[in-house]
Amino acid sequence: AQSVTQPDIHITVSEGASLELRCNYSYGATPYLFWYVQSPGQGLQLLLKYFSGDTLVQGIKGFEAEFKRSQSSFNLRKPSVHWSDAAEYFCAVGLMEYGNKLVFGAGTILRVKS
Amino acid sequence: DTEVTQTPKHLVMGMTNKKSLKCEQHMGHRAMYWYKQKAKKPPELMFVYSYEKLSINESVPSRFSPECPNSSLLNLHLHALQPEDSALYLCASSLRDLSDGYTFGSGTRLTVV
Repeated sequence: AQSVTQPDIHITVSEGASLELRCNYSYGATPYLFWYVQSPGQGLQLLLKYFSGDTLVQGIKGFEAEFKRSQSSFNLRKPSVHWSDAAEYFCAVGLMEYGNKLVFGAGTILRVKS
Repeated sequence: DTEVTQTPKHLVMGMTNKKSLKCEQHMGHRAMYWYKQKAKKPPELMFVYSYEKLSINESVPSRFSPECPNSSLLNLHLHALQPEDSALYLCASSLRDLSDGYTFGSGTRLTVV
């Protein structure tokens, strides 16, 4: 079955430090891959997406992600974290053959310390 | 207009009440979705509407009844809910497929008492 794994439930980084959030997926083909961010009690905002082409994708707010087929991974990175980046981050797989369903990972809560 | 608007933002209802959640978008998106998010959990798909027709029902109990009156509007009718149905209900839309991802609304926080 299709699944998305985010192995880190919580991550704490210092402001200005670099960030990498991990995401692995299980799927029979190259899926549509997404990263979303959610602030407490809010909806989800799309950071970036990948479905073909250049395996390094740039998103909003200075985030980027790299698709590695051999590792079934789509890790999110940011070179310098700001306090406003504190939120929950969800990796998701898009399944077009299932009515464009998004399957989300469990999420990673990012805390930023000053 | 690049938003998905959900109303109300908060709703408290008794187990015998009937209420409705509303979702609206004016981006010309032809697919609309309802997701349910329990506290400290990821969103889970409930329903998908494609071109105003219900295309996916993820085995959701009948006390949740979706409706898509037109291409811009999606409702979720609630009746005889249980306290465990308390959650954040998120609406989303997409153009046709996943190439642009979804646009999510900010959700309705539902509490069933």
